[in-house]
Amino acid sequence: DAKTTQPPSMDCAEGRAANLPCNHSTISGNEYVYWYRQIHSQGPQYIIHGLKNNETNEMASLIITEDRKSSTLILPHATLRDTAVYYCIVRVARILEYGNKLVFGAGTILRVKS
Amino acid sequence: NAGVTQTPKFRILKIGQSMTLQCTQDMNHNYMYWYRQDPGMGLKLIYYSVGAGITDKGEVPNGYNVSRSTTEDFPLRLELAAPSQTSVYFCASNPAGGVKGYTFGSGTRLTVV
Repeated sequence: DAKTTQPPSMDCAEGRAANLPCNHSTISGNEYVYWYRQIHSQGPQYIIHGLKNNETNEMASLIITEDRKSSTLILPHATLRDTAVYYCIVRVARILEYGNKLVFGAGTILRVKS
Repeated sequence: NAGVTQTPKFRILKIGQSMTLQCTQDMNHNYMYWYRQDPGMGLKLIYYSVGAGITDKGEVPNGYNVSRSTTEDFPLRLELAAPSQTSVYFCASNPAGGVKGYTFGSGTRLTVV
């Protein structure tokens, strides 16, 4: 699976949009981009995923560049409860060979401040 | 719908003791996983299973064993606990067929003294 690079930490003002970048320059054509977050002492929570097109759900938006070498997770109106570690994961769905396992990196610590 | 349920939430073990961490999911997911997370670190895969009766090692399997006799349950066994196994353990599941997100349990915080 392709390696990802994220900044170690970011700050965001409450009510503003939080834009979390992720570089995945070695991504392959059949690899998806996933975002998870982990609020302190809790299990990771799935946020969103995408392959080529931009995606939006009730939690966030995912913007993937045309060459797919980088992406940005956008939390449109960050709240204090969005303070967490955010993980960008690139994964290919080789079901039988790898069992769809996720490989977590260090992630980005997002601090939302009032 | 409970999702992924882990028990116990907290446990203190003495060196050399054994225990089983329980994980149950009620979503009929074929795939289940055990991860451990050391303080300030990311998650590392211990074992995973693609269905009842089928398990395989992840990145850090030493000191652990698993079984998968039913779709719902995926217990993790620690034999001869060591201080290096002090960690938070997370169980996760996802449906077969590829791209959907994982559902994680709330974790078991284990301390070996």
